[in-house]
Amino acid sequence: DGGITQSPKYLFRKEGQNVTLSCEQNLNHDAMYWYRQDPGQGLRLIYYSQIVNDFQKGDIAEGYSVSREKKESFPLTVTSAQKNPTAFYLCASTTGGGRDSNQPQHFGDGTRLSIL
Amino acid sequence: AQSVAQPEDQVNVAEGNPLTVKCTYSVSGNPYLFWYVQYPNRGLQFLLKYITGDNLVKGSYGFEAEFNKSQTSFHLKKPSALVSDSALYFCAVRRSASKIIFGSGTRLSIRP
Repeated sequence: DGGITQSPKYLFRKEGQNVTLSCEQNLNHDAMYWYRQDPGQGLRLIYYSQIVNDFQKGDIAEGYSVSREKKESFPLTVTSAQKNPTAFYLCASTTGGGRDSNQPQHFGDGTRLSIL
Repeated sequence: AQSVAQPEDQVNVAEGNPLTVKCTYSVSGNPYLFWYVQYPNRGLQFLLKYITGDNLVKGSYGFEAEFNKSQTSFHLKKPSALVSDSALYFCAVRRSASKIIFGSGTRLSIRP
């Protein structure tokens, strides 16, 4: 079955620690995204990537970093600079832009990050 | 500025009754509109989309949505609600690969 796999499902971060959230997709999608979800606030875009080795900041990129070395993988690192990292993190993918802009996003089942 | 609004944080409906979850948008040009559903501790699942053509769009699980260009609305509807429809619903608009805007979500609660 094609889909998006996020791991781990739950993650705990200590003060001053960087943590990395994994996102892998086997849908052959070009574009991948990271969102942060807080209660009552919907989804906020952290980073997105439309092709390998390229990515752009979203609305709340400060304190986060990403890489896109392979089409299938788009890991997110939550750095110690992110002072309020407790949230539910969602990874998504879709086919590219342009004429494919009418395609929906596919989402993973999320990683819940908490501070110890 | 492009935006999507879901004016109701919560909608409560009795099982068997029709339900409506509201969404209005503000974008330039022709929007691509989507509805997603989210169950607890899960990702979003795609329900339906409007691209062009018929204003009434049918989607998964018996849901449908009505596109109204003059009112810039894209309300989600279902003729007969089920308890299992209880979840968080998001409206979204997409203009390109990068420009995807989500509403704040509406929690739908169906009472038996």
